[in-house]
Amino acid sequence: DARVTQTPRHKVTEMGQEVTMRCQPILGHNTVFWYRQTMMQGLELLAYFRNRAPLDDSGMPKDRFSAEMPDATLATLKIQPSEPRDSAVYFCASVPEGRLAKNIQYFGAGTRLSVL
Amino acid sequence: DAKTTQPNSMESNEEEPVHLPCNHSTISGTDYIHWYRQLPSQGPEYVIHGLTSNVNNRMASLAIAEDRKSSTLILHRATLRDAAVYYCILRDDRANAGKSTFGDGTTLTVKP
Repeated sequence: DARVTQTPRHKVTEMGQEVTMRCQPILGHNTVFWYRQTMMQGLELLAYFRNRAPLDDSGMPKDRFSAEMPDATLATLKIQPSEPRDSAVYFCASVPEGRLAKNIQYFGAGTRLSVL
Repeated sequence: DAKTTQPNSMESNEEEPVHLPCNHSTISGTDYIHWYRQLPSQGPEYVIHGLTSNVNNRMASLAIAEDRKSSTLILHRATLRDAAVYYCILRDDRANAGKSTFGDGTTLTVKP
């Protein structure tokens, strides 16, 4: 049963610490999306990559957030330094090759981040 | 980006059909209409999508208005497991960007 895997599932950290969240897309999928979900803002698109290259990261705060795909099997989202307002659930989703608008996004279970 | 409007919440009785509406009056000709749902403490999951014609799959049906300014997700027999937040989103096919914006969604409550 192919699925998107996110680690860690939960992360509690202190303000100012670096946080790295990882996402393993479904094998063969070439597009990865990062979303953030909070009660106030709902589900927000942060960035997405295709064939490991960033297509759009306009939703991501540039000063502290960075997203990369070191290889086809791993996407990372890093926050440095973290702040309490970053507390949220972070989801990644992968999409198979083809027209993005037609294809299904497969979401991971998310990483719940709490910054104290 | 074209936006969607959905009711905040809806209620249904178990084993009855549910019609979840979505308005997207500024939809462009290249926008695909997708529906996802999110069960408590889970990531969103795909339900159905379409462009112009009505669509059916094992989970639901999607009815798209002729002018494409609105659509309706139909769950034929609601079960307690269908209680979730349902999102109607538009995905832009221009330049194969595929960018999409999730709105607030509709929280569906299913009563036994």
